[in-house]
Amino acid sequence: SQQGEEDPQALSIQEGENATMNCSYKTSINNLQWYRQNSGRGLVHLILIRSNEREKHSGRLRVTLDTSKKSSSLLITASRAADTASYFCATDSIIQGAQKLVFGQGTRLTINP
Amino acid sequence: DGGITQSPKYLFRKEGQNVTLSCEQNLNHDAMYWYRQDPGQGLRLIYYSQIVNDFQKGDIAEGYSVSREKKESFPLTVTSAQKNPTAFYLCASSTTAGFLGNQPQHFGDGTRLSIL
Repeated sequence: SQQGEEDPQALSIQEGENATMNCSYKTSINNLQWYRQNSGRGLVHLILIRSNEREKHSGRLRVTLDTSKKSSSLLITASRAADTASYFCATDSIIQGAQKLVFGQGTRLTINP
Repeated sequence: DGGITQSPKYLFRKEGQNVTLSCEQNLNHDAMYWYRQDPGQGLRLIYYSQIVNDFQKGDIAEGYSVSREKKESFPLTVTSAQKNPTAFYLCASSTTAGFLGNQPQHFGDGTRLSIL
């Protein structure tokens, strides 16, 4: 099963509203990353948050991390049509004795004009 | 500008045919990766390489092969043994720390492979 699972699977909001996506994971981590993927394109890195950090900002993006609940959230404020994309969380995870980056299944965000 | 270039953007495979997807990076990254993405799904790791002339199987390596003869290049061959090759293939690169999740991975724009 996936280390990181995003919730909701799909989210549709009006332009200007805030969008919140959540990521839960199962085992302890050192870092958690968020990526964006526009339709038919590659992933673009947004933010990396380390396990000793609780919150991180980048422009209109705010990421929180709660290691006690094994969860993270990505908040996009004042959403724009250009924010329409899929958003993935990725966590470092020990798989068969090797540390790897494991991606969740993503949240599809649609911003309606 | 530094980045990752994948080619072709679209590729069609006939039954019994091997096809090769190209991935080139000029970011001077040691680590490179191939992922498979199915519709509405996350990424699954096919192969990865942390250094030239060395590569390791990921979670779904069966039916695929790779080589890493140059730091800049990490081609993926989808062999006829891969019975369900239709997917979106993404190549990425990172520093060695990126493999461990301590630094970001940088992605190309993908190759969409379909069966004729």
